[in-house]
Amino acid sequence: AQKITQTQPGMFVQEKEAVTLDCTYDTSDPSYGLFWYKQPSSGEMIFLIYQGSYDQQNATEGRYSLNFQKARKSANLVISASQLGDSAMYFCAMREVSSGGSYIPTFGRGTSLIVHP
Amino acid sequence: NAGVTQTPKFRILKIGQSMTLQCAQDMNHNYMYWYRQDPGMGLKLIYYSVGAGITDKGEVPNGYNVSRSTTEDFPLRLELAAPSQTSVYFCASIEGHGNSPLHFGNGTRLTVT
Repeated sequence: AQKITQTQPGMFVQEKEAVTLDCTYDTSDPSYGLFWYKQPSSGEMIFLIYQGSYDQQNATEGRYSLNFQKARKSANLVISASQLGDSAMYFCAMREVSSGGSYIPTFGRGTSLIVHP
Repeated sequence: NAGVTQTPKFRILKIGQSMTLQCAQDMNHNYMYWYRQDPGMGLKLIYYSVGAGITDKGEVPNGYNVSRSTTEDFPLRLELAAPSQTSVYFCASIEGHGNSPLHFGNGTRLTVT
């Protein structure tokens, strides 16, 4: 079973509008972390935002916010005021702790976002 | 700081050939990872290491080997390359605490023909 599920292979948004990219996760680890990364067409991976499982408030970083609903096991990324440069692949990832105590990050399949002018 | 450095950027291999993908980090991170990225499949973990001398298998280790003789270096070895190993390979590292994000190298695009 997928540990990280991103159900939207592709999303389109008009410039200056907000967009939500969905992510649901599955874990039995009580202490986990959720991350979002951006991959532009140039290929590098860029860290955007982090949410810890014990964090009470939703994480925000500039135009990025994470809508964390722990009971529903969802960690959606919200991008406000979209810009053309936001066009990229977006990956949701979860960091769990293995039985041996190691940090293991797992990724979803990604969502391709295209921002239209 | 250079961060995580991967070499080469591109490589074409013939079926059955071997090669080593190099990865080095200068941040003194204990954890290092190798992922492969295939279109529409996200990143899948091949191998990881929690420190020098310690490595462990990830989700898709078959056909690969790793070693970690120093904190800085984490090479990935492909023996007997197969077309199924055509992919983009990313090396990454993190600090030792759980809320630190992955620091990625720029990737190696490998084609096996």
